[in-house]
Amino acid sequence: AQSVTQLGSHVSVSEGALVLLRCNYSSSVPPYLFWYVQYPNQGLQLLLKYTSAATLVKGINGFEAEFKKSETSFHLTKPSAHMSDAAEYFCAVSLFNTDKLIFGTGTRLQVFP
Amino acid sequence: NAGVTQTPKFQVLKTGQSMTLQCAQDMNHNSMYWYRQDPGMGLRLIYYSASEGTTDKGEVPNGYNVSRLNKREFSLRLESAAPSQTSVYFCASSEADFSSSYNEQFFGPGTRLTVL
Repeated sequence: AQSVTQLGSHVSVSEGALVLLRCNYSSSVPPYLFWYVQYPNQGLQLLLKYTSAATLVKGINGFEAEFKKSETSFHLTKPSAHMSDAAEYFCAVSLFNTDKLIFGTGTRLQVFP
Repeated sequence: NAGVTQTPKFQVLKTGQSMTLQCAQDMNHNSMYWYRQDPGMGLRLIYYSASEGTTDKGEVPNGYNVSRLNKREFSLRLESAAPSQTSVYFCASSEADFSSSYNEQFFGPGTRLTVL
């Protein structure tokens, strides 16, 4: 069965520093992978998605993620954190031809001035 | 487009009371979902509906029922609320267009439910 693991329930960075949020997946077939962001008291919003077209995926707000099959990883990065990036981030996996997502437990990002 | 809307935004129930959470989408999506979000557990699927007239259990269906009233609306009912059902509930929808080979879900703003 497929699953996702997000390492680190909380990550803190200074404004301007690199953001790295980790996601590893478990799947016996090539997965489709997603990163969602949840701002306080709001629903989830899609940041970016990997659907096998390109291993480096660019999303909104300057975020990007790289699919590494050899490491079964899909880590989310942003070169320079902004205060407005403070939110909870969820990695999710979906298999081809299914209509369900499996979510990780989330990583809360704090950005300090 | 309003996207996915949920009512109510907040609700407090006493143990044993019943209530229905409403969800509607205006994107003509086929699939709809109900999740609950609890601290440290991410989102867990309660029920989903792949099309009008069909519903299936997700990971945590016990204590809940659903109705896919039409293509737009998907409601979640708690027949006898328990404190363990205190959570934030999210509705989502997706095109579930398998010809595109992926499933992007669009989420509503959530309902915060407290059961005393």
